[in-house]
Amino acid sequence: SQTIHQWPATLVQPVGSPLSLECTVEGTSNPNLYWYRQAAGRGLQLLFYSVGIGQISSEVPQNLSASRPQDRQFILSSKKLLLSDSGFYLCAWSTGTWAGGGETQYFGPGTRLLVL
Amino acid sequence: AQSVTQLGSHVSVSEGALVLLRCNYSSSVPPYLFWYVQYPNQGLQLLLKYTTGATLVKGINGFEAEFKKSETSFHLTKPSAHMSDAAEYFCAVSVTSGSRLTFGEGTQLTVNP
Repeated sequence: SQTIHQWPATLVQPVGSPLSLECTVEGTSNPNLYWYRQAAGRGLQLLFYSVGIGQISSEVPQNLSASRPQDRQFILSSKKLLLSDSGFYLCAWSTGTWAGGGETQYFGPGTRLLVL
Repeated sequence: AQSVTQLGSHVSVSEGALVLLRCNYSSSVPPYLFWYVQYPNQGLQLLLKYTTGATLVKGINGFEAEFKKSETSFHLTKPSAHMSDAAEYFCAVSVTSGSRLTFGEGTQLTVNP
């Protein structure tokens, strides 16, 4: 069966510090991968998605970046955190096999980031 | 482009009462529709989804939703609320061009004893 991991679970960082959040998927190959941010009391905002190694699409211009160094690894980074980067970051995967649409996204447990 | 509107950011029901969470979508092509649930400090879990075929979709934990094309709606219902149903619920839509989802703002469900 497939599983998705995120770490760390919780992170407190000062403004201006760098960030690296990691997401890995097990039990599947060539998945589509997604990073979402969920601010307090708000819905989910898609930040990045990837259909393959080194292929990253950005949905919202900001001081965050994403990379996919391996097939089942997705990393969210920042060189300098802002207060507004605080939130709950969720990684998700879906099958990369084109099945006509409607593929389910499966979410990880999330990382709670607090920037002070 | 597709969009989702969830009517009511907060819904409160009594234990044993009917749960009705509203979702309306906008899409220029036939949509695929999803309901997810999120418990505090956790990721999202799929409740149910509509792709094609039967418009009444049954999901986990006794929830179901009906796709009504004429009303562009996909409301989520459960006949009898349980305390464990207290969570945030998200409606989402994708279209045939891929699996990217557009989420609604979410509805926080409170269940009162």
